[in-house]
Amino acid sequence: GAGVSQSPSNKVTEKGKDVELRCDPISGHTALYWYRQRLGQGLEFLIYFQGNSAPDKSGLPSDRFSAERTGESVSTLTIQRTQQEDSAVYLCASSLSALNTEAFFGQGTRLTVV
Amino acid sequence: GENVEQHPSTLSVQEGDSAVIKCTYSDSASNYFPWYKQELGKRPQLIIDIRSNVGEKKDQRIAVTLNKTAKHFSLHITETQPEDSAVYFCAAKEVGGFQKLVFGTGTRLLVSP
Repeated sequence: GAGVSQSPSNKVTEKGKDVELRCDPISGHTALYWYRQRLGQGLEFLIYFQGNSAPDKSGLPSDRFSAERTGESVSTLTIQRTQQEDSAVYLCASSLSALNTEAFFGQGTRLTVV
Repeated sequence: GENVEQHPSTLSVQEGDSAVIKCTYSDSASNYFPWYKQELGKRPQLIIDIRSNVGEKKDQRIAVTLNKTAKHFSLHITETQPEDSAVYFCAAKEVGGFQKLVFGTGTRLLVSP
């Protein structure tokens, strides 16, 4: 079946604007993760969903960041009043369950704030 | 929460040599340890994983070892090839309430012909 899909693949936005990033996980996957990857850097954990609930939001950098998931499927990551330091690739991953199963990554959304 | 440290940050080897990347984790209750390979401009992809009831796992030229007592695990690549050049990330899965996947900071491996 289809893998994890993210849209848009690229987004250029002006500083101060809001952006929404979308993640379509693999069908049936209950666990969904968002990570941020700055250029040449590692995978910074943002938030994790189990079903539609987010038991761990500890990685969200500020209150400008929020995320939701509906229907145990699509998730959106919203960044309000974007800043230049928000520029990064935002990666979504899903896994069959929260237990020890492989997490599959989407191709990411490259966000550039100008 | 879980904290994963990864070393080295960069590793250069000659084709045919072996490469070893090491990670340590902080939460003794973690029980799942995957390794991901990320080629330039591409998404991370799982190459091998190990669970805490196993000490070693091999898949062709790749092997992972786990020392639960010391809380460290390593990736071993033998007979390296130029196409092994990429960034490698280790990770550990928390157990308990959150069960999030925590990644190390990555190792950039360069295999020279």
